[in-house]
Amino acid sequence: GQQLNQSPQSMFIQEGEDVSMNCTSSSIFNTWLWYKQDPGEGPVLLIALYKAGELTSNGRLTAQFGITRKDSFLNISASIPSDVGIYFCAGKLNSGNTPLVFGKGTRLSVIA
Amino acid sequence: DGGITQSPKYLFRKEGQNVTLSCEQNLNHDAMYWYRQDPGQGLRLIYYSQIVNDFQKGDIAEGYSVSREKKESFPLTVTSAQKNPTAFYLCASSTLGSTQYFGPGTRLLVL
Repeated sequence: GQQLNQSPQSMFIQEGEDVSMNCTSSSIFNTWLWYKQDPGEGPVLLIALYKAGELTSNGRLTAQFGITRKDSFLNISASIPSDVGIYFCAGKLNSGNTPLVFGKGTRLSVIA
Repeated sequence: DGGITQSPKYLFRKEGQNVTLSCEQNLNHDAMYWYRQDPGQGLRLIYYSQIVNDFQKGDIAEGYSVSREKKESFPLTVTSAQKNPTAFYLCASSTLGSTQYFGPGTRLLVL
């Protein structure tokens, strides 16, 4: 099946640093989503993007829906220890109830 | 509380045994999904159902079966034909105009 190219695969950063990760695809999506997964738990939705060029913030998190509709990025500012986890991007090809296409995730580690 | 529940949290299976993982939602969502997650891997779609009494295979359906007799419930059976069933299983749901929400997951271990 389709997959998104998510990078980087993993990151080790110092507490207080900013973080950036992105997803690219050869297909056009009409929705981009970013999830965070804590160990042993289900992914939790962080940000949903519905329009090309849209820039949306949720606290210290900011995500953008690329103009070409083939990419998206997520920034985390001033990282804290509880930001540790796996971040997944997901794209939706149409507005129906079709399954999401997921990236393989970015594993974030924060060093205090 | 509205949400998606999965039970049990941990499940053990003996070789050659079928096991069923439960997924229930009270969000009134039309669509439900099952994913498998292996260490270091992303989420792989097993089956999904867009309406009651209908479901479609995902990318890795072999060795699994599902049913959707009620809107709220979408149980997944891991059959003995699934040769490598040890994984973390995630259920999700969505409805038109909404994004997809996940349950807490079930970890299946083979003894």
